[in-house]
Amino acid sequence: DGGITQSPKYLFRKEGQNVTLSCEQNLNHDAMYWYRQDPGQGLRLIYYSQIVNDFQKGDIAEGYSVSREKKESFPLTVTSAQKNPTAFYLCASSGNSGDFSEQFFGPGTRLTVL
Amino acid sequence: KNQVEQSPQSLIILEGKNCTLQCNYTVSPFSNLRWYKQDTGRGPVSLTIMTFSENTKSNGRYTATLDADTKQSSLHITASQLSDSASYICVVSAGREYGNKLVFGAGTILRVKS
Repeated sequence: DGGITQSPKYLFRKEGQNVTLSCEQNLNHDAMYWYRQDPGQGLRLIYYSQIVNDFQKGDIAEGYSVSREKKESFPLTVTSAQKNPTAFYLCASSGNSGDFSEQFFGPGTRLTVL
Repeated sequence: KNQVEQSPQSLIILEGKNCTLQCNYTVSPFSNLRWYKQDTGRGPVSLTIMTFSENTKSNGRYTATLDADTKQSSLHITASQLSDSASYICVVSAGREYGNKLVFGAGTILRVKS
């Protein structure tokens, strides 16, 4: 998992609640990413940030929000607007801004809506 | 549409046997192709990465091949071990005009039995 931590490992949410997933890296990487993984599907990009105080929407950003106030941290908030949030969420980082290729992944957070 | 298709979806083999996993992609232009191993409930870990000019890359008992003309890749696992049980994900990086974004396959679930 190489210097990227995600917490919590498991998270349960009631409908209508916002929850925030933590992602921290000590690799001094400029870029960070959030992906969602569902059974039988490839990872899908939610948001990414190539530099502090800047981030862009990925392919499935609706119902999610992020912030990048520090280089080491890229928290993801799953809002009540996300209609099907139950999934495995993976955070990743890479050292070269603009290059998505060299990504290192965290251990993931499994979110379940009750 | 940029896609990555993997086959088979799942595979069961006996310990000590060899196996080959397939990946076909339509991503164009193509920058590089990577194979990841993902243990259950964990983040993916990179096994190999190949650019269009490479046609084979090894990492211990894992050997990846790439045919950029037919847009096919394979991952060959030699003398399988119980610890090889995991999901294997093929990931293709699109070119710079697509922001070098990654396109993920859904993965092949491998189970090695004793």
